[in-house]
Amino acid sequence: EVHLVESGGGLVQPGGSLRLSCAASGFTFSNYWMSWVRQAPGKGLEWVANKKEDGSEEYYVDSVEGRFTISRDNAKNSLYLQMNSLRAEDTAVYYCARGPWPIFGMPNYFDYWGPGALVTVSS
Amino acid sequence: IQLTQSPSSLSASVGDRVSITCRASQGISSLLAWYQQKPGKAPKLLIYAASTLQSGVPSRFSGSGSGTDFTLTISSLQPEDFATYYCQQVNSYPLTFGGGTKVEIK
Repeated sequence: EVHLVESGGGLVQPGGSLRLSCAASGFTFSNYWMSWVRQAPGKGLEWVANKKEDGSEEYYVDSVEGRFTISRDNAKNSLYLQMNSLRAEDTAVYYCARGPWPIFGMPNYFDYWGPGALVTVSS
Repeated sequence: IQLTQSPSSLSASVGDRVSITCRASQGISSLLAWYQQKPGKAPKLLIYAASTLQSGVPSRFSGSGSGTDFTLTISSLQPEDFATYYCQQVNSYPLTFGGGTKVEIK
């Protein structure tokens, strides 16, 4: 059974840094792109970043480009999001999601999600 | 690519047929998914490739459309279907979601 579990959320001051982790199990991690998606309180979903299965490509939404870095360790079945220069508008639940593409075949979209980690940016 | 969902909310009764539309600002072929989200929970994939039902999802859910206009239909609304629904495209970056449609009990 596929499991994704985020950790590392918490309260941080504006301008501070935080690192989120996502532990994956139940599937061949190195066969999938992996993504981070966030949801501000009471708001909709926003894709943040994703990284190719072999780590050779990564993409970001404009609002976090240059401040956030996505990484992965296929040996540890783990995905990470380093968040620097945090702003109040980064306050959200951050979800780790599998996808949107497998190493072969059609898109799998975001077929599995973790329960989310809350990041609060406030002084 | 902007995804515009309508309506943003609706009230319906158990047993009603409900349709939600998602319009893309440019053509995205069939590279669209629908998700269901309940309060405090992660989203759940319902439909992918515009019309393919994800494994384990009840057959009362269906999707249609291609290009710029898409529809999610619930043929007979059940109590567990009251939730917020989002469309999402993977045609091009940035990957985007629609603004959501909240389905409430009438």
